[in-house]
Amino acid sequence: AQSVTQPDIHITVSEGASLELRCNYSYGATPYLFWYVQSPGQGLQLLLKYFSGDTLVQGIKGFEAEFKRSQSSFNLRKPSVHWSDAAEYFCALLGGGYQKVTFGTGTKLQVIP
Amino acid sequence: DSGVTQTPKHLITATGQRVTLRCSPRSGDLSVYWYQQSLDQGLQFLIQYYNGEERAKGNILERFSAQQFPDLHSELNLSSLELGDSALYFCASSVEPGAGEQYFGPGTRLTVT
Repeated sequence: AQSVTQPDIHITVSEGASLELRCNYSYGATPYLFWYVQSPGQGLQLLLKYFSGDTLVQGIKGFEAEFKRSQSSFNLRKPSVHWSDAAEYFCALLGGGYQKVTFGTGTKLQVIP
Repeated sequence: DSGVTQTPKHLITATGQRVTLRCSPRSGDLSVYWYQQSLDQGLQFLIQYYNGEERAKGNILERFSAQQFPDLHSELNLSSLELGDSALYFCASSVEPGAGEQYFGPGTRLTVT
């Protein structure tokens, strides 16, 4: 079975501060991992993806994520958060013979001035 | 704008009724995915089609069915609706059938009263 855990339901950071959103996964093979962002009332937008190779991947909007196999983690980071980053963030894993995507429960990010 | 369109945007109906949600994938995408997002269940994968054929099934109820037509648009049929079916229903599309890189539509908000 495959699963994705996002342990933080809600995170509040100050504008300009750094951000790290946690994602842990469980999967028996090499996973394909993704981070999506959902703004209020919108669909999900892909931020970045990891398939193989360099374990530090860069995405859009200044986000990056690091794949750590030993920790089964794929944490999302941003060095300086902007107010427009306030949204819900979903970590996802592609497994099931690369047919099935499993999403985490999401982390809501609030940005305060 | 992801290029994926969904209609209608909002739908209000009564328990026991049947509704059809429609999705048009991005131009060139052969795969369509349906998801349900609710407060208590989070984002749940329902079903996937690739070039007209069912490819993968998730947590889709027997009261729900879907199909993908020759022009690649897809419909999700929800019948014998219950209050608990109230949710946001997203459609996503991708080029490959096993792609985690999916493009999401804006969703259809279904309210069952």
